[in-house]
Amino acid sequence: AQSVTQLDSHVSVSEGTPVLLRCNYSSSYSPSLFWYVQHPNKGLQLLLKYTSAATLVKGINGFEAEFKKSETSFHLTKPSAHMSDAAEYFCVVSFSGGTSYGKLTFGQGTILTVHP
Amino acid sequence: GAGVSQSPSNKVTEKGKDVELRCDPISGHTALYWYRQSLGQGLEFLIYFQGNSAPDKSGLPSDRFSAERTGGSVSTLTIQRTQQEDSAVYLCASSLPGSETQYFGPGTRLLVL
Repeated sequence: AQSVTQLDSHVSVSEGTPVLLRCNYSSSYSPSLFWYVQHPNKGLQLLLKYTSAATLVKGINGFEAEFKKSETSFHLTKPSAHMSDAAEYFCVVSFSGGTSYGKLTFGQGTILTVHP
Repeated sequence: GAGVSQSPSNKVTEKGKDVELRCDPISGHTALYWYRQSLGQGLEFLIYFQGNSAPDKSGLPSDRFSAERTGGSVSTLTIQRTQQEDSAVYLCASSLPGSETQYFGPGTRLLVL
C-alpha cells in the first residue's frame, strides 16, 4: 500500500519570503510523485512531477521539489512567495499495478497563506 | 486547447433522488478517472476507465454509485438514492495513453439536502 503525509495543514509566509511545504511518502516501489495546486473554487492544476529522472524537479510558477529516497520525502519549495501563490497544495503519489493504472493517492493538503 | 469539462458545475438535490454527473475528457485521452473531494475525507479515488472498460472500481463507496463511459470519451457518474453524506465535489481527470499525468476538470459540487 502507498500513502502520502503532508506534515503541515497550514503554512503562513510573508510575500517575498521562501516557501516550504513538506511531504513524506510511503511506497513499496519507486513511486511517481506529484504536487497539485487548487485555488479557491478552482480545479486542480499540476505544478510538477517526479518520475525517476532527475531528483530535483522544476515546475511552474517558480516552484521546485526534491525527491529524497533516503528520507522518503518530496518537499515543495519556492524562493520567494507571491500573493497569487495563496492556495491549497496537494502532494500526490501514483500507483500502477494489477488492474489499476495511474491511481492517485492524495495527501490531506496544505493551505498556504501569503501575507503582504 | 480544450481541457476536461464537467457538468453541471453545481447540483442541489433532495435526499433519495438520483443524480447524473458528466465528464468530457481531453480529446485523445484514453484513461479517465473519477475522484471525490469532501471535507471529512479529503480527495479520494472512485473509479478508473481505460477506454470503455473500468478495470478498477475499488473506490466506489457503495452499490448506489455507478459509472459508465461510451465511445471512449464521455463518462457519466450516477448516484442513486442520494444521501447527505454524498455531498462533495466530484472531480474528473483524464490522461494520455501510458502517462500517469492527469488533467483535472473543474468539478461538480453536489449538495444533498
